[in-house]
Amino acid sequence: GAGVSQSPSNKVTEKGKDVELRCDPISGHTALYWYRQSLGQGLEFLIYFQGNSAPDKSGLPSDRFSAERTGGSVSTLTIQRTQQEDSAVYLCASRSTWGLVADTQYFGPGTRLTVL
Amino acid sequence: EDQVTQSPEALRLQEGESSSLNCSYTVSGLRGLFWYRQDPGKGPEFLFTLYSAGEEKEKERLKATLTKKESFLHITAPKPEDSATYLCAVQSMNYGGATNKLIFGTGTLLAVQP
Repeated sequence: GAGVSQSPSNKVTEKGKDVELRCDPISGHTALYWYRQSLGQGLEFLIYFQGNSAPDKSGLPSDRFSAERTGGSVSTLTIQRTQQEDSAVYLCASRSTWGLVADTQYFGPGTRLTVL
Repeated sequence: EDQVTQSPEALRLQEGESSSLNCSYTVSGLRGLFWYRQDPGKGPEFLFTLYSAGEEKEKERLKATLTKKESFLHITAPKPEDSATYLCAVQSMNYGGATNKLIFGTGTLLAVQP
């Protein structure tokens, strides 16, 4: 079946602009994650959604970052007033919450964000 | 604080030259250890999950093993198409159960020369 998809694949923006990144999880996966991968650093957890529960926002680096998940499916990560240090690859992952692979997170291809 | 350290940072092998990648971890309690492969410009691709010390899993030329402090990814007779960055991640447990996130290492960049 189809994997996790993300759009756009690349985004170039000017400092101070707002950006929205989109994630479509694997159909039927109720858990959804956002991570950030900066050059030379490991993947950094940002936020986690599980069903109708309140999201775990503990990884968001500042209040300029926010995310929502509509209808338990598509998620949007919004970065307001972008800064150059926000430049990174933003990865989305989804996970089934039942069965033998309930712990495995499956990643999308990422959105490469460049802030000029 | 949960932490994952991978070594070496980069590894160059000749085709057919077997080797191992290391992932050392520190967690309060281990829920699972995950290995991913990442090709340039792509998202991580799942390889293995290990849950307890002594567990081993294999897939083609790759075998992952786990102890209480570290995991190894053994690559037997590698081919050029095995060239990628290999990422290790842990999911920890706390008093409330499994935590929500994976803690990743910075990866090992593997290059296999023909």
